[in-house]
Amino acid sequence: NAGVTQTPKFQVLKTGQSMTLQCAQDMNHNSMYWYRQDPGMGLRLIYYSASEGTTDKGEVPNGYNVSRLNKREFSLRLESAAPSQTSVYFCASSSDRFSEQFFGPGTRLTVL
Amino acid sequence: GENVEQHPSTLSVQEGDSAVIKCTYSDSASNYFPWYKQELGKRPQLIIDIRSNVGEKKDQRIAVTLNKTAKHFSLHITETQPEDSAVYFCAASYDYKLSFGAGTTVTVRA
Repeated sequence: NAGVTQTPKFQVLKTGQSMTLQCAQDMNHNSMYWYRQDPGMGLRLIYYSASEGTTDKGEVPNGYNVSRLNKREFSLRLESAAPSQTSVYFCASSSDRFSEQFFGPGTRLTVL
Repeated sequence: GENVEQHPSTLSVQEGDSAVIKCTYSDSASNYFPWYKQELGKRPQLIIDIRSNVGEKKDQRIAVTLNKTAKHFSLHITETQPEDSAVYFCAASYDYKLSFGAGTTVTVRA
């Protein structure tokens, strides 16, 4: 039982490049989330998927897109990376909206 | 949207003493208040949560209190130990959108 897994662990991009962050969970959770964590700002919700087939914007969605590929997988795409997107990205999942969110190990992204 | 403020930003306590972290929220519709602990370089992990129909919840050395009228909630850690050193985040939500505070770095001095 791996819980929530994310790939890659580290990534360096140049401004304007694109990439997709992958997330998968094996806990049969309905809901999945993408957060970014910047120093001194806590975690901010980018997008979430309440259930398979649905996605919604969070607090900071600009510059990102998501895909809920199936119940297990939820990907985050940066179409044209900007230095302001340098951050640590966490994926999380939960069984429902008032349940514990289990976080993945994070992806440290640097945009030059 | 919801705005969560957390204080203090840093807290240093002597081992064995208590630590208290306070949070306020803006949206009166919020009804779920979790607390997460994040050790350096690790992922956040839930330590305790409380729903709005409960005023207080305790789990061993950790307790959370909620005052819905004043829109604030607090984390209390008693008999602190070195392994309690970490960053603690409060959060609030009424739906799927969890809003986090900026975090409190707790250092337990031996």
